[in-house]
Amino acid sequence: GAGVSQSPSNKVTEKGKDVELRCDPISGHTALYWYRQRLGQGLEFLIYFQGNSAPDKSGLPSDRFSAERTGESVSTLTIQRTQQEDSAVYLCASSLWRSGGARGETQYFGPGTRLLVL
Amino acid sequence: QQPVQSPQAVILREGEDAVINCSSSKALYSVHWYRQKHGEAPVFLMILLKGGEQKGHDKISASFNEKKQQSSLYLTASQLSYSGTYFCGTERNNAGNMLTFGGGTRLMVKP
Repeated sequence: GAGVSQSPSNKVTEKGKDVELRCDPISGHTALYWYRQRLGQGLEFLIYFQGNSAPDKSGLPSDRFSAERTGESVSTLTIQRTQQEDSAVYLCASSLWRSGGARGETQYFGPGTRLLVL
Repeated sequence: QQPVQSPQAVILREGEDAVINCSSSKALYSVHWYRQKHGEAPVFLMILLKGGEQKGHDKISASFNEKKQQSSLYLTASQLSYSGTYFCGTERNNAGNMLTFGGGTRLMVKP
């Protein structure tokens, strides 16, 4: 597709359940980022993948959060034992990764997954 | 460590100008500006890089003062379509490529 796609667009779950959120980056973008946006607030960095290097997980809020990426394509963000405070919009972005890295590259955002934990 | 944006909110009449500021306490490699409409994904507006390079929208201008770690976004002759929340995202010198976003500036343009 032409842009970043995410699924599902909306997810309602019960406290304690696990959820998986999916991101398909723009073709050819080897850098992929996950952000969280709580209602009325700014975006909070969670994790990013840069080519074949180990992901930067420094933004993950707890060990209930994890993410994987298959090669240079799809990424899945998993939240285990969801809590009500996990309710937010989860946004994925991708960017080019040139020889010098992804510095200064535009990050293109997907439409997000709206997660509601009851 | 989150950059500070000001003002938090602004209301304009169509045709008026506005300036949105973004200030960081850390040395920056770049500043990215996005606009987000309610219920939608952030849309890229502009990147300002260390050294003066800029990439982005030709109808929106911005500045980046590297020494002060500050950036300003200039919206001139505002249109109704400019309404939304503006976020600056900063890319630090000595950190990864992730962006640290400010809390946003809510802009409403009225007819």
